[in-house]
Amino acid sequence: GQSLEQPSEVTAVEGAIVQINCTYQTSGFYGLSWYQQHDGGAPTFLSYNALDGLEETGRFSSFLSRSDSYGYLLLQELQMKDSASYFCAPPSGSARQLTFGSGTQLTVLP
Amino acid sequence: IAGITQAPTSQILAAGRRMTLRCTQDMRHNAMYWYRQDLGLGLRLIHYSNTAGTTGKGEVPDGYSVSRANTDDFPLTLASAVPSQTSVYFCASSDTPGGGSYNEQFFGPGTRLTVL
Repeated sequence: GQSLEQPSEVTAVEGAIVQINCTYQTSGFYGLSWYQQHDGGAPTFLSYNALDGLEETGRFSSFLSRSDSYGYLLLQELQMKDSASYFCAPPSGSARQLTFGSGTQLTVLP
Repeated sequence: IAGITQAPTSQILAAGRRMTLRCTQDMRHNAMYWYRQDLGLGLRLIHYSNTAGTTGKGEVPDGYSVSRANTDDFPLTLASAVPSQTSVYFCASSDTPGGGSYNEQFFGPGTRLTVL
């Protein structure tokens, strides 16, 4: 079976750095994806880690440790527009379907 | 450039009625997916299709059916709607199953369905 754990809520101020952790248990692990979803909107892809280590894309970075079944999303120089839900989603199964956790609601305060 | 379109945007439906949610993509992606998202929760996979002519069951397939007659369209049908199917439905697509090397799926804007 699959299980994912993320914090349900995180609050930070503009300009700060925040880390959203994800621990997982999946069968046939391929990697870890991260998606962002604003209220009322569609999820959008942020990053994907196939291998251990850090992937950097602008203000966002994502990290994976396969041995620890753990990953995190790091958001730097927070902006108000970063207020959204963030989901870790490992692909699994023969079709590499995404399994989404319940997500982390990030609130950025002025 | 449309990407993925879904119709209708929202719908209120009486229980027991049949409903088809439409999804069309113009990116020539091979794989397509249907998810439901209940209030405050993550997305759950209903059905998927790795390529035209094939479909598979996801995590919560009961009460739903899909077809994939061509590359672009992937309709989701509720044969006899029940209140527990009240949710926001997202269609997604990816170039290859799972999203390829970068595992990226592209999502439509969603359909908000209320079953009374």
